[in-house]
Amino acid sequence: QVQLQESGPGLVKPSQTLSLTCTVSGGSISSGSYYWSWIRQPAGKGLEWIGRIYTSGSTNYNPSLKSRVTISVDTSKNQFSLKLSSVTAADTAVYYCARLYSGYDEYYFDYWGQGTLVTVSS
Amino acid sequence: SSELTQDPAVSVALGQTVRITCQGDSLRSYYASWYQQKPGQAPVLVIYGKNNRPSGIPDRFSGSSSGNTASLTITGAQAEDEADYYCNSRDSSGNHLGVFGGGTKLTVL
Repeated sequence: QVQLQESGPGLVKPSQTLSLTCTVSGGSISSGSYYWSWIRQPAGKGLEWIGRIYTSGSTNYNPSLKSRVTISVDTSKNQFSLKLSSVTAADTAVYYCARLYSGYDEYYFDYWGQGTLVTVSS
Repeated sequence: SSELTQDPAVSVALGQTVRITCQGDSLRSYYASWYQQKPGQAPVLVIYGKNNRPSGIPDRFSGSSSGNTASLTITGAQAEDEADYYCNSRDSSGNHLGVFGGGTKLTVL
């Protein structure tokens, strides 16, 4: 059973960089035809896809965040990470990491982390 | 704004059938996936592909698609099905971008 766990600071100051790591257990991050994604959810609002990475390092980002987002992968640690720069209060949200299957006509997140709340405040 | 459109709220009487819909151009080419989210919890995948349920998801959940509309049907809704439901797919640009619907709050009466 694959498990994902987010970790990182719960409080970030405005204009600084938000950094989170997702640790994958129960399977290798390099196995299978899976991507690894970040998704966020402001309080009381819907889900927003942030981006995804393949273990080759290939990435795709939400155009609305692309200028500020970097997703990276460390296969030796079975981890992938999110960096979001120049944060504002609008970036306050629960951040989830998830495993993504993206096939010919299918696209779904089958395993999710429990989520971590990141608050942007001075 | 989301490229996938969902009704904000739907209600169903206990034991009855309810359909939650998701509209978007990308659904003409890609199947939607559906997620159930209860307060304070992470989303859970309930339907993916043409009509597939992950292990542990009750068979009262089913999915279908026609044109630009995907549907999640709950046949015989239970009290524990009260939750927010989100659809998801690739965007219509073909650039491997993900997109979520705005979510539907399901109330079981």
